Amino acid sequence: DAKTTQPTSMDCAEGRAANLPCNHSTISGNEYVYWYRQIHSQGPQYIIHGLKNNETNEMASLIITEDRKSSTLILPHATLRDTAVYYCIVRVINDMRFGAGTRLTVKP
Amino acid sequence: GAVVSQHPSWVICKSGTSVKIECRSLDFQATTMFWYRQFPKQSLMLMATSNEGSKATYEQGVEKDKFLINHASLTLSTLTVTSAHPEDSSFYICSYLPPGRIEQFFGPGTRLTVL
Repeated sequence: DAKTTQPTSMDCAEGRAANLPCNHSTISGNEYVYWYRQIHSQGPQYIIHGLKNNETNEMASLIITEDRKSSTLILPHATLRDTAVYYCIVRVINDMRFGAGTRLTVKP
Repeated sequence: GAVVSQHPSWVICKSGTSVKIECRSLDFQATTMFWYRQFPKQSLMLMATSNEGSKATYEQGVEKDKFLINHASLTLSTLTVTSAHPEDSSFYICSYLPPGRIEQFFGPGTRLTVL
């Protein structure tokens, strides 16, 4: 499975866009990019996934570079409730393997 | 998204006792479910994959005789921690992959504390 690299932590001002990067330079052609988040003491929450094209849903946007070696999760208007650990996972359709993730802190 | 429940949400038990944790999918039938555990300040670690009607597949280093998994129906999987010890204290989380979907949905987790 492709390994992902994410910054350990990031801060974002409330109401501003939060851009969370993820590097996955060894991704293979059939692997999806998934994003999950985990708010303290809760189970992970699915956010979005993509294969090649950029994706958008009610929670976030996912921008995948053309070579698929990196991606960015965008929360367009971060709120205090978006404070969580965000996990970027590259995987074929199977169990999810979690790395350390990025701890995003949204500040007032 | 799909809804997954876990019961209990937290449990405290004495060392040497067994604890059963239930994971239910509320709106989809699930042939495959996954069990994870998470120690404080660490990420989730996959313990096992639970397949309905067959034996679970355990990750390397996870004792199958200690962590008994039963997936007897398409909506229920159980994890039993046998002869629990303080080092088994952790946050246990289940997830499943609904049919026709490629994203997993996770339960709210069960916090186990072994005294």
